[in-house]
Amino acid sequence: NAGVTQTPKFRVLKTGQSMTLLCAQDMNHEYMYWYRQDPGMGLRLIHYSVGEGTTAKGEVPDGYNVSRLKKQNFLLGLESAAPSQTSVYFCASSQGEGGQPQHFGDGTRLSIL
Amino acid sequence: GQNIDQPTEMTATEGAIVQINCTYQTSGFNGLFWYQQHAGEAPTFLSYNVLDGLEEKGRFSSFLSRSKGYSYLLLKELQMKDSASYLCAVMDSNYQLIWGAGTKLIIKP
Repeated sequence: NAGVTQTPKFRVLKTGQSMTLLCAQDMNHEYMYWYRQDPGMGLRLIHYSVGEGTTAKGEVPDGYNVSRLKKQNFLLGLESAAPSQTSVYFCASSQGEGGQPQHFGDGTRLSIL
Repeated sequence: GQNIDQPTEMTATEGAIVQINCTYQTSGFNGLFWYQQHAGEAPTFLSYNVLDGLEEKGRFSSFLSRSKGYSYLLLKELQMKDSASYLCAVMDSNYQLIWGAGTKLIIKP
């Protein structure tokens, strides 16, 4: 029972480098989300998708891009990493809106030097 | 603005009962979620309330008062494994979750 799988689990980047975080879910969920979690703050939504081929901006989208080419995958890209993007990134998926709970991956711990 | 408030940290004794409060001010309301997050791990779903009242699920119960913008999570018969952060999240009018910063619960023997 894989659920939501994130790769990589840890990564250290230098300022200005680019990278892509991969999220895969095997629950056939329509909705997928990318959050960041910083100390002393609640989870903040970066981007989300309501179905294959769709993406939308969340609360803190600047500096990130996303793609949902396949229903099961949701990619988060950092084009030019900045120290302010040091965070723990969580991917989540859900069956739909309303009372459907979001299921989370184990997170990617990203440090930007 | 949208705001979710929860205590930063609470301490309780193994076997006891603890109540974690959450107050919210959001643009619209489509339900309130509680999640548990152990250190270094993913949040996991505990409960969902959309109507006023108490929802009981084993040792955990969650209460909602929409008129007061208030919820609590009640944990009974505390076990050491309950040491974790508890996250309150409200679904707003756009069906997006607004998250509190979480309450770190420390259980002492």
